[in-house]
Amino acid sequence: QVQLQESGPGLVKPSETLSLTCTVSGGSLSNYYWIWIRQPPGKRLEWIGNIYYSGSTNYSPSLKSRVTMSVDTSKNQFSLTLDSVTSADTAVYYCARGAGWLPDNWGQGTLVTVSS
Amino acid sequence: EIVLTQSPGNLSLSPGEGATLSCRASQSVRDNYLAWYQRRPGQAPRVLIYGASSRATGIPDRLSGSGSGTDFTLTISRLEPEDFAVYYCLQYGDSPLTFGGGTKVEIK
Repeated sequence: QVQLQESGPGLVKPSETLSLTCTVSGGSLSNYYWIWIRQPPGKRLEWIGNIYYSGSTNYSPSLKSRVTMSVDTSKNQFSLTLDSVTSADTAVYYCARGAGWLPDNWGQGTLVTVSS
Repeated sequence: EIVLTQSPGNLSLSPGEGATLSCRASQSVRDNYLAWYQRRPGQAPRVLIYGASSRATGIPDRLSGSGSGTDFTLTISRLEPEDFAVYYCLQYGDSPLTFGGGTKVEIK
């Protein structure tokens, strides 16, 4: 059973860059989409985007100007960066594997707070 | 983007009772690419149903999904203690993918 684990700073200052990594164990990145999803406090889950193992990406239009995703197959990891963060980016961030575009295995999530 | 509206927001039921959860889309979901997820406190969300009615691996047959187009339903025939959780629907037929607001099933 594949397992995913998010890692990164739990606190980011406004206007700075949020960076998270998802480490995949129990399986390869090959032939799958890898997905980022977030849930701000009191709000619904929000799809941020996905990246295929080959590197092609799809981003949510609402975040596209600030988001970059990448994969590192040698480390079995994929990453998310979100530029120019504000308090609206405070959320629990989840990484997930995609069976096609369907998230079928999720990490536990990591809380990222944007605050000075 | 497609807006998903889940109802009810909360459901208070007793173990052994049945539950019916609704997910309505603002426009037709392409190819019925509608999934249901369960999230228990402190756990990662897990997929229950995909393609509106296909059970994911390991999901018991007392959970079933139905519907097409804009109206979808998750039915739990007899609630077990592990079923008390929050349920979300997701449409993955069109970008951006979108989630419903969730239904919390709690013990009465």
